[in-house]
Amino acid sequence: DAMVIQNPRYQVTQFGKPVTLSCSQTLNHNVMYWYQQKSSQAPKLLFHYYDKDFNNEADTPDNFQSRRPNTSFCFLDIRSPGLGDAAMYLCATSRVGQPSYEQYFGPGTRLTVT
Amino acid sequence: RKEVEQDPGPFNVPEGATVAFNCTYSNSASQSFFWYRQDCRKEPKLLMSVYSSGNEDGRFTAQLNRASQYISLLIRDSKLSDSATYLCVVSVLNSGGSNYKLTFGKGTLLTVNP
Repeated sequence: DAMVIQNPRYQVTQFGKPVTLSCSQTLNHNVMYWYQQKSSQAPKLLFHYYDKDFNNEADTPDNFQSRRPNTSFCFLDIRSPGLGDAAMYLCATSRVGQPSYEQYFGPGTRLTVT
Repeated sequence: RKEVEQDPGPFNVPEGATVAFNCTYSNSASQSFFWYRQDCRKEPKLLMSVYSSGNEDGRFTAQLNRASQYISLLIRDSKLSDSATYLCVVSVLNSGGSNYKLTFGKGTLLTVNP
């Protein structure tokens, strides 16, 4: 029944070692998002894809990249993780056109940087 | 001024109490409004959308005042299972009408005590 799947759920990486987080969806939604959420803070949008159209937030560091090879999958690449990148990373999807524009979130990947 | 501001909380209430959450947003072009619920170390989940006419879902009532740029959520007869962080969320559609962005408030933590 899982609609938005994130792997892995927990990821430990070393300072400066590239890491990739993955997200897949079974909803066939057009839009996929990546958020970063640090402890006791609001989710912060990093970027999103509308189909293959990539939209980066102005304040997203260059260290963060994303790929969407097809409708179902989207990846978050952190090229050189720093200690400040430790956070929960949330993937979400939505189908543009729904009046409510509800976003469906995956369970998140909790990233630890050592 | 923050884009979305909420009561800082936390709120601690006994079972059966009525609790109100308040939220203001700064962007008058905001299109859609939501309350999301986030349990500890879990992903946000849509609780309800908020409409200008106000809407009710069981014990939950949400209201929107566009003129004041104010959103509220009322929980009546609170249950232990209502304990969570409540996130006020607004969306803005871009000028092209194809993409939009959700902006989250920091959230208000509610603990319902037996």
